[in-house]
Amino acid sequence: QVQLVESGGGLVTPGGSLRLSCAASGFTFSDYYMSWIRQAPGKGLEWVSYISNSGNTIYYGDSVKGRFTISRDNAKNSLYLQMNSLRVEDTAIYYCAREILGVGSDYWGQGTLVTVSS
Amino acid sequence: QLVLTQSPSASASLGASVKLTCTLSSGHSRYVIAWHQQQPEKGPRYLMKLKNDGNHIKGDGIPDRFSGSSSGAERYLTISSLQSEDEADYYCQTWGTGIQVFGGGTKLTV
Repeated sequence: QVQLVESGGGLVTPGGSLRLSCAASGFTFSDYYMSWIRQAPGKGLEWVSYISNSGNTIYYGDSVKGRFTISRDNAKNSLYLQMNSLRVEDTAIYYCAREILGVGSDYWGQGTLVTVSS
Repeated sequence: QLVLTQSPSASASLGASVKLTCTLSSGHSRYVIAWHQQQPEKGPRYLMKLKNDGNHIKGDGIPDRFSGSSSGAERYLTISSLQSEDEADYYCQTWGTGIQVFGGGTKLTV
């Protein structure tokens, strides 16, 4: 069955960096777009970024543009999010999700918590 | 600007039905959306894709109690025969070129 497992979250000070990973299994990873979506404590869902199956098409939400970088390694069935210049307001659970164009985020991971605090 | 609007909360009794609403912003009334459920302390779960004509395709393992419908810019999620495990947050999602948008979510109390 489809599984998405995020890792790499933790506590980081403002201005610091963190790299999240998402290990995918149960489907042909290289066939699918993938997304990162986050949820601040007690708040709703916010789209962060998505990447095409080949990695050639990438988009970011305005709140992370220029600071975060999404990437993937299809040989390792893995999705990544490099987060630089972290701010307190980046504190959230970060989910990876499988995307189907015109259908939405059809499978989600369990999330990894990123806390940005001094 | 592409925006989805949801009521913050809804409530209904065990065994009853409830209809949740997601409204698309002006100029976007034909957009397809997706509905997601997030139970307490869990990650979101995909429920269905819902088109502007009301046709919907549910995700794997989603019970028949969940259905979708549309009218103009409004997209609905109806849950019938409510069970305690349906108490959750429900989010709608849509997308455009280079962007994804989520509604603010509706907290359903059963």
